[in-house]
Amino acid sequence: EAKLVESGGGLVQPGGSLRLSCAASGFSFNLYTMNWVRQAPGKGLEWVASISSGGTTYSSDWGRFSMSRDNSRNTVDLHINRLRAEDTAVYYCTKDRGGLSAFDIWGQGTLVTVSS
Amino acid sequence: QSALAQPASVSGSPGQSITISCTGTSSDVGAYDYVSWYQQHPGKAPKLIIYDVYNPSGVSHRFSGSKSGNTASLTISGLQAEDEADYYCASYIASNNPFVFGSGTKVTVL
Repeated sequence: EAKLVESGGGLVQPGGSLRLSCAASGFSFNLYTMNWVRQAPGKGLEWVASISSGGTTYSSDWGRFSMSRDNSRNTVDLHINRLRAEDTAVYYCTKDRGGLSAFDIWGQGTLVTVSS
Repeated sequence: QSALAQPASVSGSPGQSITISCTGTSSDVGAYDYVSWYQQHPGKAPKLIIYDVYNPSGVSHRFSGSKSGNTASLTISGLQAEDEADYYCASYIASNNPFVFGSGTKVTVL
């Protein structure tokens, strides 16, 4: 069974940095694009970043969000810099179905709270 | 990139059919058959229910998708209490920001 488990969320001060991690299992990790999607409290879903199987990255905010992957450990990371209050959200790790078409596997999410 | 437009809420009685629209532009929904739909129950992670406009993702065949021009639609037939949830559409865009989500629709079963 395909599974994604996020970690690394918590309370962070404005202006700080954070690394979220996602551990994948149950599928051929190295073949798929991986993504991060977030959801602010009471709000809708927002795409954050993606990384292809070959390592090409896409980001909704190039100056603050970056992704990396380790195909030997089946993990992806999301690095967030210069955190703002509006970054407070549940961050979901997702697996792409194939070819940037749809998110077919979702983790349980990790909550990031940005507050002083 | 602005969110795709969805109605804030749709309601129906058990057994009825309802349709949720997802309106984009000729650069996203209208340009590619890469529209997907997600169901999210309160406190849970979203779940893929339709991909590539029409294809169900291992869910009940009461869920079906379609597209006309810049608008995609999700139809739920034979509405059941368990269908009460939030629903989001998403589309691929050929840009450095390759995905855009819809604003979300709350489905209420009366």
